[in-house]
Amino acid sequence: GAGVSQTPSNKVTEKGKYVELRCDPISGHTALYWYRQSLGQGPEFLIYFQGTGAADDSGLPNDRFFAVRPEGSVSTLKIQRTERGDSAVYLCASSLPGQVQDTQYFGPGTRLTVL
Amino acid sequence: GIQVEQSPPDLILQEGANSTLRCNFSDSVNNLQWFHQNPWGQLINLFYIPSGTKQNGRLSATTVATERYSLLYISSSQTTDSGVYFCAVVRYGGSQGNLIFGKGTKLSVKP
Repeated sequence: GAGVSQTPSNKVTEKGKYVELRCDPISGHTALYWYRQSLGQGPEFLIYFQGTGAADDSGLPNDRFFAVRPEGSVSTLKIQRTERGDSAVYLCASSLPGQVQDTQYFGPGTRLTVL
Repeated sequence: GIQVEQSPPDLILQEGANSTLRCNFSDSVNNLQWFHQNPWGQLINLFYIPSGTKQNGRLSATTVATERYSLLYISSSQTTDSGVYFCAVVRYGGSQGNLIFGKGTKLSVKP
């Protein structure tokens, strides 16, 4: 079946603007994860949803970052008042917790550039 | 928090060679996964292996949880194996969704 999809694939914005990044998980996957990957680093955990609720948002760097998953499927990561330091690849993953030993399947990412 | 260290940071191989990548972690874990990130950025899950040994074709992995390390073996390497290999763990008792990644091993396989 289809994998995790993310849109847009690239986003260029100006400092101070608001951006939304979208993630479509694998159909039927109840868990959804957001990570951020800076150049030369491993992905860094941001937030994890189980269904519609955020089970762990301890990785969100500050209150400019927010994520929602209102119907338990598609998720949107929202960044307010973007800063140049927010530039990174934002990765989304999904899994069936309790199935396949919580293997996370990653999307292709959204490359965010803040000018 | 838990530390995940991978070695070597960079590795250059001739096609056909074998290699071993290492992941050390500083605390007990209940989830450990190996990923391959290809040159286009796509992360592919290779193994879920919090303990024991698994094999999949030319790849195999072993985790010795009591000694807090995991090894990824690549045999008869091919140019398509190039990319970055990440080890990621969930600390025992931690949030199951919170994978902590190492910095990766960048592998280049030359023809």
